Formats: sequence, C-alpha cells, structure tokens
Amino acid sequence: DTGVSQNPRHKITKRGQNVTFRCDPISEHNRLYWYRQTLGQGPEFLTYFQNEAQLEKSRLLSDRFSAERPKGSFSTLEIQRTEQGDSAMYLCASSLVSISEQYFGPGTRLTVT
Amino acid sequence: ELKVEQNPLFLSMQEGKNYTIYCNYSTTSDRLYWYRQDPGKSLESLFVLLSNGAVKQEGRLMASLDTKARLSTLHITAAVHDLSATYFCAVDMGSNYKLTFGKGTLLTVNP
Repeated sequence: DTGVSQNPRHKITKRGQNVTFRCDPISEHNRLYWYRQTLGQGPEFLTYFQNEAQLEKSRLLSDRFSAERPKGSFSTLEIQRTEQGDSAMYLCASSLVSISEQYFGPGTRLTVT
Repeated sequence: ELKVEQNPLFLSMQEGKNYTIYCNYSTTSDRLYWYRQDPGKSLESLFVLLSNGAVKQEGRLMASLDTKARLSTLHITAAVHDLSATYFCAVDMGSNYKLTFGKGTLLTVNP
C-alpha cells in the first residue's frame, strides 16, 4: 500500500482520558501535516514536520496536544485530558519538500463522550 | 491572515445541468488546490493549480485560477449523480505549504 495510513480509524473515549493517534506517511515523503476537521467545516491546520523536526504549530494546538515524529517516519498525535470540543476528524497528510501537493490519509474520527 | 471563501456552500443540481463553484482568497498566492470529500471519508485531490491562468480538466470537472483576481472556479459540466460530494478549495502560502481551506460546497445532483 503506497498511501497515507492512519490508526485507529475511529476512537470513542470518555472526557478526561488521553488518546493517541498514529499516522504513517507515504514512505519517501519528508513532510507530514496534521489537520482537524469538525462537522460541516473545512480542515484546519494543526502542525507539520519536516523529517523529525516540528516546524510549525497552530494556535489551535493547545498544551493538551502534542505531536511527535521520531526518526522522521511515522507520527503520533496525543491529546491529554480530552474534552468534548476535541471531537473531530483528525487528518494526516504527507508530501515531498519540493512538491506542494499533499496526500491525505483516511483520518481518525474521535468522539469524546 | 489568509482567508478562503467558497460559494455557494450548498448546491442542488439536476443531472445534465452545468454550474460553477467559486473560491476567493484574501492574500496573494500562486497555489490553489481542489479536493473532493465523500461523507465520512478523507480528501481526494482533484486539481493542483500552480500559476496564473492555469486550467485543468478531468472528466466533467474543470478548474481555473486567476491569481490577480484571487479567484478560482470549479466548473461542472452535465452533472451526474456520482459527482455528489463536498468540494473544498485550499490555498497555501510560503515554503511550509500548509493549507487553508474554504468551508466547502456540498453538491447534490438529483436525477
């Protein structure tokens, strides 16, 4: 499979619990992006990595959110002390540094009850 | 701050008809993207427009970019039911290529 993959595809959690999502980019892609999409809205940028370096974070990314990309391969997005407002689809995308087009994964749908 | 506006947000069409979705953005950029999203699914790339005057066509869809007017259009020709989906335009600026999306246009094609 040469596409972007994300796991889990769905996650239901209780408010206050921690959750972690994983994204595996297309193998030769050195840029990796996280976006969040709520119902009826377009995706919003959260953060991005070039190789293992996290180069930009949105103000949407509160201190309860942390993202890593160890060794410049897969990435994880962790949300601590989840709130109902965190319920959304979390999308990962990857690209090459030299090419702007991003390829999106299937997303992880988070529901906080 | 870059803002991207799409209109209409909702579009109900009959099969066989033509229509255009508009995408305006607030800050100079030479790169604009169109994506399609089916319910509960991720984003599928439709078009990448990288210069003023760029025009791309795929099947019944044609996209164009006017960077001076900060406007892109997605034209639908002879719509069919399979085109029913939400269509997003997105713009990026700078070397990080992070995307700013419009709110999307929910297209419903009726028989």
